[in-house]
Amino acid sequence: NAGVTQTPKFQVLKTGQSMTLQCAQDMNHNSMYWYRQDPGMGLRLIYYSASEGTTDKGEVPNGYNVSRLNKREFSLRLESAAPSQTSVYFCASSGGGFDGHTEAFFGQGTRLTVV
Amino acid sequence: DAKTTQPPSMDCAEGRAANLPCNHSTISGNEYVYWYRQIHSQGPQYIIHGLKNNETNEMASLIITEDRKSSTLILPHATLRDTAVYYCIVRVYSNTGKLIFGQGTTLQVKP
Repeated sequence: NAGVTQTPKFQVLKTGQSMTLQCAQDMNHNSMYWYRQDPGMGLRLIYYSASEGTTDKGEVPNGYNVSRLNKREFSLRLESAAPSQTSVYFCASSGGGFDGHTEAFFGQGTRLTVV
Repeated sequence: DAKTTQPPSMDCAEGRAANLPCNHSTISGNEYVYWYRQIHSQGPQYIIHGLKNNETNEMASLIITEDRKSSTLILPHATLRDTAVYYCIVRVYSNTGKLIFGQGTTLQVKP
């Protein structure tokens, strides 16, 4: 049982390049999330997906797109990377379900540097 | 979702209880209080949650005031490995699973 798996773990991009961060969970969770965390700051929600086939903007969606490919996978795409997007990106999932308050499980993060 | 207020930092002596406060004065009746922690830039880890009754698990205890406007996370015997950022989150009862994090409290456990 791997939990939440993020790939890659590290990435360096040049300004203007594009890339997709991958996230997969094996807990049959309904909800998935993408966060970014800048140095010394808390986590900020970029996008989330309450269930397969739905996605919604979080606190800081500009410059990002997401795809909920299936129940297991939720990807985050940077179309034209900017230095301001240098951050650690965390993916998370939670059960959602009928009661909506099961705990969230997080991946280990993707450390992205845009030069 | 209700916002939370936490002190930015706290110290605790190893072996003593760590009491981390959280203010959530605008909490609604259907909102739960969740606590997570993040150790040295790892992904956050769930600790405990509650609605209005006090809760205890193998990691910690959660004390929620009767009016539910504040809560305290208690680590009964803090160790150096408990040094982390602790996040208090108030989450609406829904199926969306949305989680919004504040700035959290940096707990430093000292020998």
